[in-house]
Amino acid sequence: NAGVTQTPKFQVLKTGQSMTLQCAQDMNHNSMYWYRQDPGMGLRLIYYSASEGTTDKGEVPNGYNVSRLNKREFSLRLESAAPSQTSVYFCASSSRSSSYNEQFFGPGTRLTVL
Amino acid sequence: AQSVTQPDIHITVSEGASLELRCNYSYGATPYLFWYVQSPGQGLQLLLKYFSGDTLVQGIKGFEAEFKRSQSSFNLRKPSVHWSDAAEYFCAVLVGGSYIPTFGRGTSLIVHP
Repeated sequence: NAGVTQTPKFQVLKTGQSMTLQCAQDMNHNSMYWYRQDPGMGLRLIYYSASEGTTDKGEVPNGYNVSRLNKREFSLRLESAAPSQTSVYFCASSSRSSSYNEQFFGPGTRLTVL
Repeated sequence: AQSVTQPDIHITVSEGASLELRCNYSYGATPYLFWYVQSPGQGLQLLLKYFSGDTLVQGIKGFEAEFKRSQSSFNLRKPSVHWSDAAEYFCAVLVGGSYIPTFGRGTSLIVHP
């Protein structure tokens, strides 16, 4: 049981390049989330998916797109990377059948945009 | 909308000393309450959670937290800190019926030998 996995672990991009961050969970969770973490800012929600087939914007969606490929996978795409998107990105999942709805996090992707 | 405040950005303690990390929330009813820990270079891991019942909850790694309704607080405590506890700690609240938590900005714990 791997939990939440993310690829890649590290990535360096040049301004204007595109890339997709991959996330998968093997806990049969309904909901999945993408956060970015910046110093002093805590976690900020980019996009979330309440269930397979649905996605919604979070607090900071500009410059990002997402795809809920199936129940297991939720990818985050940067179409044209900017230095302001240098951050650590975390994927998380949760089960709506859980009374607490706590989140389970992946190890993160550390992205640098030059 | 609910909000979460962690008043301390950094806390420094000596190994073996006791620890209390503060968390205050703003919400009309009792939310679900969580503490997560993030070790350097890692993702967040759930330490403990509270929704109802006994206001003192026990978590992993020897941590506990006490819910105080009158103070809208959910402070995290540990009687004796170990060097391996050095990490970032996040408090989070979840309103009943929602699945999107609100996180505090985190408290960085530094442990001196």
